[in-house]
Amino acid sequence: ELKVEQNPLFLSMQEGKNYTIYCNYSTTSDRLYWYRQDPGKSLESLFVLLSNGAVKQEGRLMASLDTKARLSTLHITAAVHDLSATYFCAVVHSGGGADGLTFGKGTHLIIQP
Amino acid sequence: DTGVSQDPRHKITKRGQNVTFRCDPISEHNRLYWYRQTLGQGPEFLTYFQNEAQLEKSRLLSDRFSAERPKGSFSTLEIQRTEQGDSAMYLCASSLWPNTGELFFGEGSRLTVL
Repeated sequence: ELKVEQNPLFLSMQEGKNYTIYCNYSTTSDRLYWYRQDPGKSLESLFVLLSNGAVKQEGRLMASLDTKARLSTLHITAAVHDLSATYFCAVVHSGGGADGLTFGKGTHLIIQP
Repeated sequence: DTGVSQDPRHKITKRGQNVTFRCDPISEHNRLYWYRQTLGQGPEFLTYFQNEAQLEKSRLLSDRFSAERPKGSFSTLEIQRTEQGDSAMYLCASSLWPNTGELFFGEGSRLTVL
């Protein structure tokens, strides 16, 4: 059974600081997705990582994928309050799409002014 | 196209009643997924369709849960004889397959069972 673990589950940080969220998964996969969820809202797609070594950046967020280590990171640079949200990583089994995405529990991020 | 839409957005029901949720996917998407999300957890996969075919349903939580997508467009998720433990957000997502596998989520239908 595919397991996806995120670390940390809760993070409070100050504006202007840098931090990294980690996503580990238990079985082979070559596709990983990052989503953002605001309170009471649905999930917004942030990044789609489709191969080993993939790196995507959007504004202050950068995501990377290491399929050999079964690890993805979401790096936040010079955090701003608007980035406060819950961030989920999700993985699909290699061979893809058969069972939908398996999500981690999410990282609840609070950025304080 | 305005994205994935779900109806109703909120449903309050009494234990033992049946409820049905509807999902309209992005029009050109051939895959449609149902997830459940409880407070503080990530979405939990329930079932999915490719066009009108339901390709995976073993993850439906019990035989009280069923889903249909009769014409390969909108889908319904029905919960029979609701229990308090069914209270959750039910999320629908769609995707274009084969492609990146990226799912696009609707706003969700929040169920409260009293």
